Amino acid sequence: NAGVTQTPKFQVLKTGQSMTLQCAQDMNHNSMYWYRQDPGMGLRLIYYSASEGTTDKGEVPNGYNVSRLNKREFSLRLESAAPSQTSVYFCASIRTSGSNYEQYFGPGTRLTVT
Amino acid sequence: GENVEQHPSTLSVQEGDSAVIKCTYSDSASNYFPWYKQELGKRPQLIIDIRSNVGEKKDQRIAVTLNKTAKHFSLHITETQPEDSAVYFCAATKGNMLTFGGGTRLMVKP
Repeated sequence: NAGVTQTPKFQVLKTGQSMTLQCAQDMNHNSMYWYRQDPGMGLRLIYYSASEGTTDKGEVPNGYNVSRLNKREFSLRLESAAPSQTSVYFCASIRTSGSNYEQYFGPGTRLTVT
Repeated sequence: GENVEQHPSTLSVQEGDSAVIKCTYSDSASNYFPWYKQELGKRPQLIIDIRSNVGEKKDQRIAVTLNKTAKHFSLHITETQPEDSAVYFCAATKGNMLTFGGGTRLMVKP
């Protein structure tokens, strides 16, 4: 049971390049999330997927797109990277069952855009 | 949408002292309040949580209290140890949405 995994761990992009961050979870969780964390700051929600086949915008969705490929996988795409997107990106998943929650974060992807 | 404010942003205590971190939220429909600990370079880890139908929850040296009327909740760490040094985040949850506070950097001096 690997929990939540993310690839890559580190990435350097030039302005205007595109890339996809991958996230997978093997805990059969329904909801998956993408956050960004800027230095010394909290986590801001980019997009989330409450269940397979659905995605919704979070607080800071501009410049990003997502795909919930299946129940396990939720990817985040930067179509044209900008220096303002330099950040650490965390994927997370939550299994909700009634009033019970199980929440887990992936190890993060450290992205630098030059 | 939900707005979560967290105070203080930094907190320095002597080993063995208690630490208290406070959060307020704006949306009365939020019903689940987790707390996360994040060590440098690591992912956030859930340390304790509380649901809106409970006023207090304790787990060893960590406790969380919730005042639904005032819309605030607090994390209490007793007998702090150097390994408690980290950034702590509160969050308020409504449905599937978590909104995080800005974080508190706790430093425990030996």
